[in-house]
Amino acid sequence: GAGVSQSPSNKVTEKGKDVELRCDPISGHTALYWYRQSLGQGLEFLIYFQGNSAPDKSGLPSDRFSAERTGGSVSTLTIQRTQQEDSAVYLCASSWAKADTQYFGPGTRLTVL
Amino acid sequence: QKEVEQDPGPLSVPEGAIVSLNCTYSNSAFQYFMWYRQYSRKGPELLMYTYSSGNKEDGRFTAQVDKSSKYISLFIRDSQPSDSATYLCAMSDGSATNKLIFGTGTLLAVQP
Repeated sequence: GAGVSQSPSNKVTEKGKDVELRCDPISGHTALYWYRQSLGQGLEFLIYFQGNSAPDKSGLPSDRFSAERTGGSVSTLTIQRTQQEDSAVYLCASSWAKADTQYFGPGTRLTVL
Repeated sequence: QKEVEQDPGPLSVPEGAIVSLNCTYSNSAFQYFMWYRQYSRKGPELLMYTYSSGNKEDGRFTAQVDKSSKYISLFIRDSQPSDSATYLCAMSDGSATNKLIFGTGTLLAVQP
């Protein structure tokens, strides 16, 4: 079956603009994660969704970052008033349940000019 | 100090060599240990998954976990040019979120 898909693959924006990044998890996966991969920093956890439970937002770096998951499937990560330090690859992962293997999408490469 | 430390490399080896990749960690609550492989401009893909201490072998790959030393390793035997990628260690404590804590990755180049 299809893997995790993300769109757009690349996004270039100007400082101060808002951006939306989309993730389509593997069908049937109830858990969904967002991570950020910055140069030299490795992957950092941002937010976690599990079914209809309240999301774990503990990794969001500031209140400019938000995410939602509609209908337990597609998720959107929104960054408001983008800053140059937001430039990174944003990766989405999904799994059958929280303790299961996480499968990653190809990521969205965000560049803030 | 980061929770997970990983030598960023780059590591360059000739084809056929045995490769050893390592991570150390500080959080004794970690009990799930993973190695991901990431090709350039691609998402990470899971290579090995180990629970608690011990060894696990899959083809040319062997993962080792030593919880007493807080040290994990990935060995690649008979390395191939197609193994050239960034290798990321990751771990979790199996808590409610099961978020993964990653090392920064080691860039490996296998020369033909």
